Amino acid sequence: AQSVTQLGSHVSVSEGALVLLRCNYSSSVPPYLFWYVQYPNQGLQLLLKYTTGATLVKGINGFEAEFKKSETSFHLTKPSAHMSDAAEYFCAVSITGGGNKLTFGTGTQLKVEL
Amino acid sequence: EPEVTQTPSHQVTQMGQEVILRCVPISNHLYFYWYRQILGQKVEFLVSFYNNEISEKSEIFDDQFSVERPDGSNFTLKIRSTKLEDSAMYFCASSGFPPANYEQYFGPGTRLTVT
Repeated sequence: AQSVTQLGSHVSVSEGALVLLRCNYSSSVPPYLFWYVQYPNQGLQLLLKYTTGATLVKGINGFEAEFKKSETSFHLTKPSAHMSDAAEYFCAVSITGGGNKLTFGTGTQLKVEL
Repeated sequence: EPEVTQTPSHQVTQMGQEVILRCVPISNHLYFYWYRQILGQKVEFLVSFYNNEISEKSEIFDDQFSVERPDGSNFTLKIRSTKLEDSAMYFCASSGFPPANYEQYFGPGTRLTVT
């Protein structure tokens, strides 16, 4: 079975500062990894995904994440935070041949301060 | 841009009543999903549906739950006899084929409140 751990349920950064949201996964087979963002009272929007190929993936709104197999990590970064980035971020994993269900982490609430 | 829609946005029901949550997936998608998020908790998988049958379901998806694709556009989740603990946000999602390589697109959710 696969699982996801997100370290830090709340992260606060200053506008313009680096954003780093941590995600570690557990999977017995090669995983597919995703980051979703949820704005208040809205659904989940895909930020980026890793399936195969290049381990550094770029997504929308300037976010990127790097798949590190040796560290079983898929941390989300953005060089410069913007006020509009304030939201909840979920890391998720699915596995090849696993029925495609997404297993989510507990989420990280990102706060951006002036 | 195509999107997944869900109705109603908020449903209040009494314990023991049946509810049907409705979803219209993206039109050319083939895989459909339901997830739920209890307030303050993580998003949990309920069920996936392909080719008019359930392809996978979680332990949460017991006999009180059922899914159906009654026509070519709608995908529904029925809870036969609601319990207080069914109060949650329910998200529908859909994806293309092969689904493992295609992201799941989520709807805005239906907030179910059981009183």
